[in-house]
Amino acid sequence: GAGVSQSPSNKVTEKGKDVELRCDPISGHTALYWYRQSLGQGLEFLIYFQGNSAPDKSGLPSDRFSAERTGGSVSTLTIQRTQQEDSAVYLCASSLGPGVVYGYTFGSGTRLTVV
Amino acid sequence: ELKVEQNPLFLSMQEGKNYTIYCNYSTTSDRLYWYRQDPGKSLESLFVLLSNGAVKQEGRLMASLDTKARLSTLHITAAVHDLSATYFCAVEASGTYKYIFGTGTRLKVLA
Repeated sequence: GAGVSQSPSNKVTEKGKDVELRCDPISGHTALYWYRQSLGQGLEFLIYFQGNSAPDKSGLPSDRFSAERTGGSVSTLTIQRTQQEDSAVYLCASSLGPGVVYGYTFGSGTRLTVV
Repeated sequence: ELKVEQNPLFLSMQEGKNYTIYCNYSTTSDRLYWYRQDPGKSLESLFVLLSNGAVKQEGRLMASLDTKARLSTLHITAAVHDLSATYFCAVEASGTYKYIFGTGTRLKVLA
């Protein structure tokens, strides 16, 4: 596609429920990243995919968080048993490859609110 | 562990004035990016700086990189209201392919 697409754009969920966030990267982009941005804060790295594998999961905050990528394309970030501190904007970005010079292209994000 | 610090965190300035935003980072890196974020929007890439001494300019914004000092600057010339946004620098943690972002500088240009 023309850009990085994320869905849903907004999600309100009850504490304790599971949520799935979707990212559809730019076609041909092999690298995919998830970041989290809490209100008024910078971006916190969560996970990096190269193709379907995730060489760096170091940013996932707890075992309630998981992510997968299939077909070298769409990625899903799953948060189980959501907590209020999970409320944030979850941003996905893709790139032509690891360490390429053009930086990321970000999606518009999913705003998650846990009530 | 790579740490990236920006200052100031908040900047309110009058139209027509000049100012500089600073981005310091703690370990060696050859790639630094500047992004702009408007409220409620995603991040827009402004500049990528790839080597020591690199300078990029676009309109009223100019970015530079000093890898020896581990410092990048984003200079604003004759600010206009449309530049109001949050600006982030991001540094690639060498060999990891992930980018560590600064805390952001929230810029408000007053008419």
